[in-house]
Amino acid sequence: SAVISQKPSRDICQRGTSLTIQCQVDSQVTMMFWYRQQPGQSLTLIATANQGSEATYESGFVIDKFPISRPNLTFSTLTVSNMSPEDSSIYLCSVELGQVPRGEQYFGPGTRLTVT
Amino acid sequence: QKEVEQNSGPLSVPEGAIASLNCTYSDRGSQSFFWYRQYSGKSPELIMSIYSNGDKEDGRFTAQLNKASQYVSLLIRDSQPSDSATYLCAAPRTPYSGGGADGLTFGKGTHLIIQP
Repeated sequence: SAVISQKPSRDICQRGTSLTIQCQVDSQVTMMFWYRQQPGQSLTLIATANQGSEATYESGFVIDKFPISRPNLTFSTLTVSNMSPEDSSIYLCSVELGQVPRGEQYFGPGTRLTVT
Repeated sequence: QKEVEQNSGPLSVPEGAIASLNCTYSDRGSQSFFWYRQYSGKSPELIMSIYSNGDKEDGRFTAQLNKASQYVSLLIRDSQPSDSATYLCAAPRTPYSGGGADGLTFGKGTHLIIQP
C-alpha cells in the first residue's frame, strides 16, 4: 500500500475564488486520478493525470474550470476555479499501485470544500 | 455508457448475521470489480477485488462474480456494528484493459446498517 495525503483537508471559500488541492504519494506512481463526490452521491471521475502530459478530462469537466498539474511521479494538484456553491463537494485523489495495473485504486483522505 | 448499479438501501442486518450486498453492471466486457467501504466523512477504502468468475474469500468477506448474469456481490459474515458503512461497487471504465488506466466507474453505493 502507499500513504496518500491531501491538503487542505477542508476549506470554506467564497464564490468566484479558486482553491488548489494538493495530493502527495509516498511512492512513485504512473497515473493519478481526481474524483468528485457531491453530497450524498457516489464518486465521479474528473480527470486522469499522467506525469509529463496533459490531464485527460471526463465529459462535463473542462481544463479551464479544473486545471491539473502533475510535475512529478509523486505529486499532483487540482485547482477548482471561479467557484460557485455547486462546486461544494469532497475532492479525492487516487492512485493505482503495483507493477502490473489491475485497476485497484487507493484514495487519499479527501478535501471537503464548501463554497458560500 | 457503462453503468454500475446498486440498491442504495439502507440495508439493515442484525449483528452476527450475513449481510449481502449486490451490484449489477451493464458492460459484458468488464473483467474486474472492486468493493470499497466508505465510512461517513471518510474516503473510500478498498476491501475486495475480484477478477474471475466464482467466489473470493478474505476473512469475513466473500466477493462473488457471475459474468453470465452480470452481477457482483459482497457477503459479510458475522456482521459487526463496525461494518455499518456505505459499500461502493466499482469497475474500470475501460473494460478490456487489465488495469484502471482511465479510472473507475462507481455505483451509487449501498448504505449498510448493522443493528446491535
